[in-house]
Amino acid sequence: DTAVSQTPKYLVTQMGNDKSIKCEQNLGHDTMYWYKQDSKKFLKIMFSYNNKELIINETVPNRFSPKSPDKAHLNLHINSLELGDSAVYFCASSPNQGTEAFFGQGTRLTVV
Amino acid sequence: ELKVEQNPLFLSMQEGKNYTIYCNYSTTSDRLYWYRQDPGKSLESLFVLLSNGAVKQEGRLMASLDTKARLSTLHITAAVHDLSATYFCAVAYTGTASKLTFGTGTRLQVTL
Repeated sequence: DTAVSQTPKYLVTQMGNDKSIKCEQNLGHDTMYWYKQDSKKFLKIMFSYNNKELIINETVPNRFSPKSPDKAHLNLHINSLELGDSAVYFCASSPNQGTEAFFGQGTRLTVV
Repeated sequence: ELKVEQNPLFLSMQEGKNYTIYCNYSTTSDRLYWYRQDPGKSLESLFVLLSNGAVKQEGRLMASLDTKARLSTLHITAAVHDLSATYFCAVAYTGTASKLTFGTGTRLQVTL
């Protein structure tokens, strides 16, 4: 059973398109995150949700809009994709804020 | 703002040798995590360190935490090729919006 699953695993799209990444966790955790890993492997938090409520928004462009329909799901929608959005996006969850995070397999987004 | 620095960024070592990876952080915290990432894969939790002086060991890896020095170490004993991966430390800032802030990562390459 996959604890944190995100889809798709790979996403190749043209500049200007809109795309979504879905994430689901079956761990019963209260907190979910989106992290971005750039080409140098640096991991930066984008958003954090606690019980469906947005807690952290780390100065991410408005083109990125997370949505949490329930505490087991956190989706990421990206409008007007740019070349600089190319990265690996990881979804993660933890029992509470700031506790051990469990990561999904990542979505490698390539914007061409 | 919490800053987390690791050194070295890249480490090439021979099998059988010992080495230590360092993780320094800038703000008071009593929770620190170590993760491993294999190329193209997700992040796997290795150690959870929750108090000053905490020491955890798993196989050839040992992690410790000194909250007064704001320092954690990941010691590798008698390295084997299977340990080749990127290792991240992550620190939880104890605030109202806790999150994990990741270090820069240390890419470990163990050669035969």
